[in-house]
Amino acid sequence: AQSVAQPEDQVNVAEGNPLTVKCTYSVSGNPYLFWYVQYPNRGLQFLLKYITGDNLVKGSYGFEAEFNKSQTSFHLKKPSALVSDSALYFCAVRDMNAGNMLTFGGGTRLMVKP
Amino acid sequence: NAGVTQTPKFQVLKTGQSMTLQCAQDMNHEYMSWYRQDPGMGLRLIHYSVGAGITDQGEVPNGYNVSRSTTEDFPLRLLSAAPSQTSVYFCASSPTGGRTDTQYFGPGTRLTVL
Repeated sequence: AQSVAQPEDQVNVAEGNPLTVKCTYSVSGNPYLFWYVQYPNRGLQFLLKYITGDNLVKGSYGFEAEFNKSQTSFHLKKPSALVSDSALYFCAVRDMNAGNMLTFGGGTRLMVKP
Repeated sequence: NAGVTQTPKFQVLKTGQSMTLQCAQDMNHEYMSWYRQDPGMGLRLIHYSVGAGITDQGEVPNGYNVSRSTTEDFPLRLLSAAPSQTSVYFCASSPTGGRTDTQYFGPGTRLTVL
């Protein structure tokens, strides 16, 4: 079965500092990985995805993610955090056994303090 | 282009009541799905549809029914609401369900069952 783990419930970072939100995955076959962001009382917004090719994927709002096959990780990063980045972040993997729907991690709350 | 819309935004039910959560998309997407979001558990797949007239169960289908009579609409029915169904429900759609497809999410319905 495919699964995703986000080991940190919350990440705290000061504004202007780099941020990392961690994600590890377990899949059979090639991984198709996604990051979504959820702002308070809103739906999920797509940030970026890894399909194949470059291990560094660039996405929306200055975010990027690094795919590491040997460590089965897909960490979300941003060089300089903004207070407005504070939100709930979800990592997800495509589930080939469920109509290619998504299997999500538990989510990580990012708090950026001024 | 409204994207994925969901109604109602909020709903309070008593145990045993039934109701239908509405979901519609105007992007002519083939794939549609329903997830529920619970704290610390990420989003879990309830049911999904790969096209009009075709539905299948996800990870947590018990207590829910779906049908897909048109490409645009994918309603979720709670037959006899239980407190364990208190959650935030998200509908999503994607163009073809391909492995590289991005899923687009609605704004969610917050359901409380008393």
